Amino acid sequence: EVQLVQSGAELKKSGESLKISCQAFGYNFPTSWIAWVRQMPGKGLELMGIIFPADSDTFYSPSFQGHVTISADISLATAYLQWSSLKASDSAIYYCARYDYGEPSQVDFWGQGTLVSVS
Amino acid sequence: QTVVTQEPSLTVSPGGTVTLTCASSTGPVTRDHFPNWFQQKPGQAPRAVIFSTNNKYTWTPGRFSGSLLGGKAALTLSGVQPEDEGDYYCLLFFGGSQLLFGGGTKLTVL
Repeated sequence: EVQLVQSGAELKKSGESLKISCQAFGYNFPTSWIAWVRQMPGKGLELMGIIFPADSDTFYSPSFQGHVTISADISLATAYLQWSSLKASDSAIYYCARYDYGEPSQVDFWGQGTLVSVS
Repeated sequence: QTVVTQEPSLTVSPGGTVTLTCASSTGPVTRDHFPNWFQQKPGQAPRAVIFSTNNKYTWTPGRFSGSLLGGKAALTLSGVQPEDEGDYYCLLFFGGSQLLFGGGTKLTVL
């Protein structure tokens, strides 16, 4: 059974750093992309970026380029999303999801989400 | 900058039929955009319900169907149930690294 299990909720202060995780189970982690998605309070889904764990090929959406870093460790079957200096506006729920690129392309399994609160 | 647009809100009666649509600012949505649809209920993570225009997952209720309609991707719910209430998002693919979500449709079953 495919599962993405994310790290727990975080309460941080502006200027602090943070790294949240997404551990994959039940499929060959290196060969599917992982997408990170932000959902601000009461708002919609925004794609932040994607990573292909096998070679760490990474693409960022323009709005997030330079603000976050996406990485992966295939030995741990885990993807990461990190900030070097948080802002209050980073308060949101962050989801990881599996993305299979090809014909067809699909985003099928999602993590449970990580709530990040920045004061 | 490409924008993907959905109806902000729709209301449907129990047992009725409703169609949600997903449009692209770049032109007609086609199968090459591999439209995906997601359902999200309050306090829950999104759940995939349709991929590649009209393909269902094993967990997708049979009353959900996807299609292309008038240059847009469409998600039709037939025989709507109260548990279908929630937010629905489409996702379009514009090449391997560019994926865009629509703004979401809040579906009310009333």
